[in-house]
Amino acid sequence: AQKVTQAQTEISVVEKEDVTLDCVYETRDTTYYLFWYKQPPSGELVFLIRRNSFDEQNEISGRYSWNFQKSTSSFNFTITASQVVDSAVYFCALSDRTGNQFYFGTGTSLTVIP
Amino acid sequence: GAGVSQSPRYKVAKRGQDVALRCDPISGHVSLFWYQQALGQGPEFLTYFQNEAQLDKSGLPSDRFFAERPEGSVSTLKIQRTQQEDSAVYLCASSILPGTEAFFGQGTRLTVV
Repeated sequence: AQKVTQAQTEISVVEKEDVTLDCVYETRDTTYYLFWYKQPPSGELVFLIRRNSFDEQNEISGRYSWNFQKSTSSFNFTITASQVVDSAVYFCALSDRTGNQFYFGTGTSLTVIP
Repeated sequence: GAGVSQSPRYKVAKRGQDVALRCDPISGHVSLFWYQQALGQGPEFLTYFQNEAQLDKSGLPSDRFFAERPEGSVSTLKIQRTQQEDSAVYLCASSILPGTEAFFGQGTRLTVV
């Protein structure tokens, strides 16, 4: 069975602080895909990153970085120098090799205080 | 179109009424998904299409829910005899191929009164 756990329900940080959002996943598959999505108040889920199970390289995109560790089944997301526009709910998701379904975590609501 | 388009954005239905929600995916995208998102929760899978074939409908909560994608592009999610527990945001997403990132529409917020 596939499962994604986001233990942090809500996080508040002051602008310019760094923040890490945790994601732990469970799967028996050897081939799978991991994703992060952002859901601002407007409601639309915005794609941030996709990572396949064979690529454990960390990735950096501007202020965003992702740390994928198969040994701990984690795919954590760090925002550096947070900004008010980063305030949103962030979802981690898992897809098996068929890609027929995305399994979402319950999301972490991030509030960046100016 | 440039993105996934869903209509209507908001729908209020009286209990027992039938509703139809439309999804227009990104042109050329093979995969299409429907998800249900309750307030404060993550999206829950409803059903998946690969072109016109419905390959997985394991998430549909009851036989009152029905989805189709007859020509492999536009999809419709139909809910018959709506109940209050059907109130949620219904999200549609498409991806160019299975296993690639899915792009989501803005959703249809259904309120059953």
